[in-house]
Amino acid sequence: DQQVKQNSPSLSVQEGRISILNCDYTNSMFDYFLWYKKYPAEGPTFLISISSIKDKNEDGRFTVFLNKSAKHLSLHIVPSQPGDSAVYFCAAGTYKYIFGTGTRLKVLA
Amino acid sequence: DVKVTQSSRYLVKRTGEKVFLECVQDMDHENMFWYRQDPGLGLRLIYFSYDVKMKEKGDIPEGYSVSREKKERFSLILESASTNQTSMYLCASSSELDFANTGELFFGEGSRLTVL
Repeated sequence: DQQVKQNSPSLSVQEGRISILNCDYTNSMFDYFLWYKKYPAEGPTFLISISSIKDKNEDGRFTVFLNKSAKHLSLHIVPSQPGDSAVYFCAAGTYKYIFGTGTRLKVLA
Repeated sequence: DVKVTQSSRYLVKRTGEKVFLECVQDMDHENMFWYRQDPGLGLRLIYFSYDVKMKEKGDIPEGYSVSREKKERFSLILESASTNQTSMYLCASSSELDFANTGELFFGEGSRLTVL
């Protein structure tokens, strides 16, 4: 059974608008939640993380929200840019991570 | 900058061959990981190591083994490659300090293995 789920395999957003990527998890013992971005034929690139003791973390255009009662994590990208088009993975864990299946974001110019 | 280097970007092997995938990190990280990425399945943990000569199974260790003889190097071994091991293999590393601050894993560029 998947402990980390990204239920939307793809998402299309107009340039300049907000992109919202979602992730659900089942294990309330996870300490850290991370978002990675991946281009084809490259390794994942770290975007932003949040610890289980917080409910929000911001870094520039990227904000991650954590709702522990709902076991739900979301990544907001504002404003979205064409260069943001990639596959986004959420991950959860402590010193080892379980990754979701990814959401392919396409930002339309 | 942290650098995680995977020795081969693309490999083509035949069924039954022994395959070595090498990973080296230059930041003296304690922890190293091997994942594989497949469409629709995300990244799945094969093995990880938190110290030299130490290893632990991840979620899908069957058909794989690992070796960590030196802190900077973590090798993934396919004893007898099979077609279902065709995949993108990703090595990652992290330090205890990074875990305390951001929880970040640093990934290599990946090794695309095709088994014919």
